[in-house]
Amino acid sequence: DAGVIQSPRHEVTEMGQEVTLRCKPISGHDYLFWYRQTMMRGLELLIYFNNNVPIDDSGMPEDRFSAKMPNASFSTLKIQPSEPRDSAVYFCASTDRTGPSRWSTQYFGPGTRLTVL
Amino acid sequence: AQSVTQLDSHVSVSEGTPVLLRCNYSSSYSPSLFWYVQHPNKGLQLLLKYTSAATLVKGINGFEAEFKKSETSFHLTKPSAHMSDAAEYFCVVSVLDSSYKLIFGSGTRLLVRP
Repeated sequence: DAGVIQSPRHEVTEMGQEVTLRCKPISGHDYLFWYRQTMMRGLELLIYFNNNVPIDDSGMPEDRFSAKMPNASFSTLKIQPSEPRDSAVYFCASTDRTGPSRWSTQYFGPGTRLTVL
Repeated sequence: AQSVTQLDSHVSVSEGTPVLLRCNYSSSYSPSLFWYVQHPNKGLQLLLKYTSAATLVKGINGFEAEFKKSETSFHLTKPSAHMSDAAEYFCVVSVLDSSYKLIFGSGTRLLVRP
């Protein structure tokens, strides 16, 4: 398996522009997670999906952020409009339902490094 | 609520010497604990996980961790550091519900000197 795939790997944009980050989970995984990593706040869970349905979006910082999962093999995280403080590395991860939820391994993509000027 | 505390933000060792990365947890119930590693410009990779089956957990690349309930610790060790071990290491606890949510520590950056 190719693992979790994210695109683009790097994104540089100007404040006010729309940014769309993409993720393809591992085939067969029915949970998908979006994280944000910054020096100040570390790794934060933004939102996660189960069977393409958003389950918990309490980590989404504000209405400028939105996430969708139109099918089992694709998810997007959109920021509109983007701001400099959104600069971070955004990770996507997926897992399947093997055993109790709290024992499951999350498989991470390589991340998208976003810079908002 | 569950939480983890990584006691060192940076650890520096010489190649060939032992590695110790410290992690303390807080949990009302028996936790599920993980160590993930992040190499520069890469995603996170699971090193090992504790799921209550055995207190000494062996992971990939020669790493292991011991769950000590009396000390609420889950320290990561390796007998002999290799240059390729230089990375950031995260101690992680799983939220004790059915949510699949993880809580990450602040990370420890391991530097390996030649």
